[in-house]
Amino acid sequence: GAVVSQHPSWVICKSGTSVKIECRSLDFQATTMFWYRQFPKQSLMLMATSNEGSKATYEQGVEKDKFLINHASLTLSTLTVTSAHPEDSSFYICSARVPGPNEQFFGPGTRLTVL
Amino acid sequence: GQSLEQPSEVTAVEGAIVQINCTYQTSGFYGLSWYQQHDGGAPTFLSYNALDGLEETGRFSSFLSRSDSYGYLLLQELQMKDSASYFCAVRTGANNLFFGTGTRLTVIP
Repeated sequence: GAVVSQHPSWVICKSGTSVKIECRSLDFQATTMFWYRQFPKQSLMLMATSNEGSKATYEQGVEKDKFLINHASLTLSTLTVTSAHPEDSSFYICSARVPGPNEQFFGPGTRLTVL
Repeated sequence: GQSLEQPSEVTAVEGAIVQINCTYQTSGFYGLSWYQQHDGGAPTFLSYNALDGLEETGRFSSFLSRSDSYGYLLLQELQMKDSASYFCAVRTGANNLFFGTGTRLTVIP
């Protein structure tokens, strides 16, 4: 199946700093990628849909100025958490839809801890 | 709004059969997917039902009834490694996938 990678797999940062998370599709081109957030023992919540070459579409309640998404190429989307605070600590997962089959492949996730 | 409901926890014995139900209420419906997620890991795709009926893939089967807005995942011959969280997810559009609350399955010896 298709492979999606994320980097870093975990990050610890101080409150007020910014953190960038990369999501790459390794063996296919993804015109659309998705960013999810998952708090412990909870479901995956869609944050935004990232479209190559255009602005991301954010879900209601997600601050676009705080969670900056850039989809500069068909294989790379980045999520930057700006001015991170402890409440932003979570598991961030990206995914990409493979053309044709009705399934999404997920990256391994990035665990963010803000001190 | 969108809502997908699943039982929060299920416990079953190794070798047994377990069914995880999912009821949904969404604006738009393309199909129902099931994902498995082990602690600390990424969700992995298990199955997708666009039409009514049962889809079988090895030990796992998934069922959908569109008229009842209901589906289930059936796991047979349970193994210890099946202990994980299972999420149903509804595709409401070409690029929209909304996840259920998740069911934590614990398989005991």
